[in-house]
Amino acid sequence: GQSLEQPSEVTAVEGAIVQINCTYQTSGFYGLSWYQQHDGGAPTFLSYNALDGLEETGRFSSFLSRSDSYGYLLLQELQMKDSASYFCAGASGGSYIPTFGRGTSLIVHP
Amino acid sequence: GAGVSQSPSNKVTEKGKDVELRCDPISGHTALYWYRQSLGQGLEFLIYFQGNSAPDKSGLPSDRFSAERTGGSVSTLTIQRTQQEDSAVYLCASSHYGQGTYEQYFGPGTRLTVT
Repeated sequence: GQSLEQPSEVTAVEGAIVQINCTYQTSGFYGLSWYQQHDGGAPTFLSYNALDGLEETGRFSSFLSRSDSYGYLLLQELQMKDSASYFCAGASGGSYIPTFGRGTSLIVHP
Repeated sequence: GAGVSQSPSNKVTEKGKDVELRCDPISGHTALYWYRQSLGQGLEFLIYFQGNSAPDKSGLPSDRFSAERTGGSVSTLTIQRTQQEDSAVYLCASSHYGQGTYEQYFGPGTRLTVT
């Protein structure tokens, strides 16, 4: 089976940079996705890394290292609206069904 | 265009009753997923539909849970004889074929409370 591990909570101040890590244990891994979910809202897709390296989308960047079975989401210039839960997810082994991590609650303080 | 819609947004039911939850995926999306999310938890996979293929039911927690998808579009998740542990938010997501492995579009969810 697959498992993805991420910290349960991260706190940071407005304007800062924060990194949310995700480690996975699976073989034949396709790549790593990240989703954002505000309280009471639906998860929304942020980014996907199919290849090793850094993908940048505005204030958000995502990184993948297959050799280390590790990835992270980097959020820069934090804003209060970034307070949300962030989930990493990935599929492998010919499956079209991704496994989601348990989510990291990001709390941004003024 | 229109996103994934789900109804009802909230459902309160008594233990032992049956409930039906509806999902309208994005038009043209052939893949449809159902997930369950308990308070403060991750997304638990329930069932996956792809086109006219037999669904992957490997995530359904018990035989009280079933789902169908009519005409390759709307899907209904049915929970029979509801139990208190069924209380959760039920999320539906859709995608193009194969895209769901990395990018899914989620509906707002149905919050189910079993009293």
